Parts: sequence; C-alpha cells; structure tokens
Amino acid sequence: DGGITQSPKYLFRKEGQNVTLSCEQNLNHDAMYWYRQDPGQGLRLIYYSQIVNDFQKGDIAEGYSVSREKKESFPLTVTSAQKNPTAFYLCASSIQQGAPEAFFGQGTRLTVV
Amino acid sequence: GDSVTQMEGPVTLSEEAFLTINCTYTATGYPSLFWYVQYPGEGLQLLLKATKADDKGSNKGFEATYRKETTSFHLEKGSVQVSDSAVYFCALRVSSNTGKLIFGQGTTLQVKP
Repeated sequence: DGGITQSPKYLFRKEGQNVTLSCEQNLNHDAMYWYRQDPGQGLRLIYYSQIVNDFQKGDIAEGYSVSREKKESFPLTVTSAQKNPTAFYLCASSIQQGAPEAFFGQGTRLTVV
Repeated sequence: GDSVTQMEGPVTLSEEAFLTINCTYTATGYPSLFWYVQYPGEGLQLLLKATKADDKGSNKGFEATYRKETTSFHLEKGSVQVSDSAVYFCALRVSSNTGKLIFGQGTTLQVKP
C-alpha cells in the first residue's frame, strides 16, 4: 500500500545530542514537509522540499536540518541547538500541481531526557 | 499573513448531538480549505476539502462549505458518535505559497455515550 512511514514512533534523546527522524514515502510525491506539533498550538512548519536536492526553511527552522537526496526520503535532524525539542513531529507529502491535500505519516514523539 | 482561527475546545457532546466547529481564515489570493482529523497518538487524516467559493466538502457525515463572503469553513455533523472523538484541524493552502498548509490550533471533540 502507498503511504508515508515515519520512524521511530517514540524517541528519547539526551540533552546535547543530535537525533535524526526518518520519513519515507512511496506515493511518488514531489513535495515533502516537516511539521512540529505542540499541545494547543496546532502544527508549525519546520522545513519543506518541493524537489530532490532542494529544500526551504519554514516558520521554525532554527535548530533543525534536513536533506533531500532521494525523492522518497526526507530525514529531519534535531540538533543540540534546538532549545525545546520535546514535541510530536509529523512528516507529510503532496503532489505539486493543483490544490492537493497533504498525506501525513503517523508521527514521531521525541522526548529529551 | 495567512492564518486560520478555530474555536477553542474542548467541545463535549452527547452521542447523536449536532456538531459545529467554527473556522475562519485570512489569506491572500484564493486558498483551498481543508479539515483534518487526528486520533490519539496518530498522524493527521484528511476529512474533507473545498477548493473554491461555495464548494461543499463532505465525508463520513461531516460537511463544510467554503464561504468567501464570511471567510469561513465551519465543520458540521448532524449526529456525532463516540468514535468521532478526536482533534479536528482546519487548514488552508494558498497556491502561491509553495504549497505549504497553514493550520489552525485544533479543536478537541469528546463525545460521550
């Protein structure tokens, strides 16, 4: 079945460590997105990519980095520079043309311990 | 800038009650509008969408009409079930905005038997 797979579902990180969240899609979508979800704040865009080897900062990119070396993969690294990384992270993808909806993965809950 | 405002929750209803969740938006251009639903610990699923003024999106008994004159996209359901308990997000996408979705803060719905 086509879809978006995020892994792991739960992740624990010690302060000062970098950690990478995986996002893979087999929908053949060009565009991919990373959102952060905090209680009561909706979803905020971290980074997005419209095509392989290209990506743009979203509204809250500080302390995060991404790569887009393959169409189907868009990993997110949470660096030690991110001051408050504990959150629920959601990856999404969509086609580029028209007014499409985005398809979401199941999310990764990151906790800093 | 573009934004979405939803009514604050939580909304608590008895089974078979009528549901309305208000959503208003501010956007340049002509956005597409979406409702997403999130069940506990999961990612977001598209519930319905509308791409132009006066369009009505519908799915699983939920409906929302794109009202350009009032910049609104209120979600309604005639008779809610316990299984409808979830967080509901209103979102917009402006085609000139590189395709990113802008979300409201979410409204929690709890349906009691």
